[in-house]
Amino acid sequence: EVQLVESGGGLVQPGGSLRLSCAASGFTVSSNYMSWVRQAPGKGLEWVSVIYSGGSTYYADSVKGRFTISRDNSKNTLYLQMNSLRAEDTAVYYCARALSGWSSRGYYYYYMDGWGKGTTVTVSS
Amino acid sequence: SYVLTQPPSVSVAPGKTARITCGGNNIGSKSVHWYQQKPGQAPVLVIYYDSDRPSGIPERFSGSNSGNTATLTISRVEAGDEADYYCQVWDSSSDHLVVFGGGTKLTVL
Repeated sequence: EVQLVESGGGLVQPGGSLRLSCAASGFTVSSNYMSWVRQAPGKGLEWVSVIYSGGSTYYADSVKGRFTISRDNSKNTLYLQMNSLRAEDTAVYYCARALSGWSSRGYYYYYMDGWGKGTTVTVSS
Repeated sequence: SYVLTQPPSVSVAPGKTARITCGGNNIGSKSVHWYQQKPGQAPVLVIYYDSDRPSGIPERFSGSNSGNTATLTISRVEAGDEADYYCQVWDSSSDHLVVFGGGTKLTVL
């Protein structure tokens, strides 16, 4: 069973930094695609970043250059280093395991089959 | 940037059928996935590959995708189905590789 537990959220001032962690169990982080998705208060879901099993990383334009996704294979843990935080980064941050590949119809698929409960980040002075 | 459009809200009486649409340019050429999110909880995958259900998801949940519209259909709606529903695709040309629809609030009357 996929289990994900986020931690590290909190209140931080604009311009500050925070590192989120996501401890995984039931599967191996390094063998899977792992994503961060956030949800601002009262808003919808917004994809933030992904790290592929091979180590490649990708980011939403809104966080590119400020956030860094990484993993520690020995701890089976995913991280999100967030720098230069802004008020608009205020959200619940979820980590999720992603499955991807090519469907029988020839279309690329990417979906998240397991989610953590989330950790809240508040950026405010 | 690829945009997915969902109606903000859908209302349905218990026992009836709810249909939640997700519009996108030629979305029929993509794989669409659906998530259910109840208040204060994390999203849960309810449909993947347009129409497949993860284990543990009732058969009442089904999906289709063609042309410019994907649809999540919930048959014999129950009070426990009341939630926000999000569609999602992968789009390599977008600034967000993973694109979510704006979400639809399903209200069970």
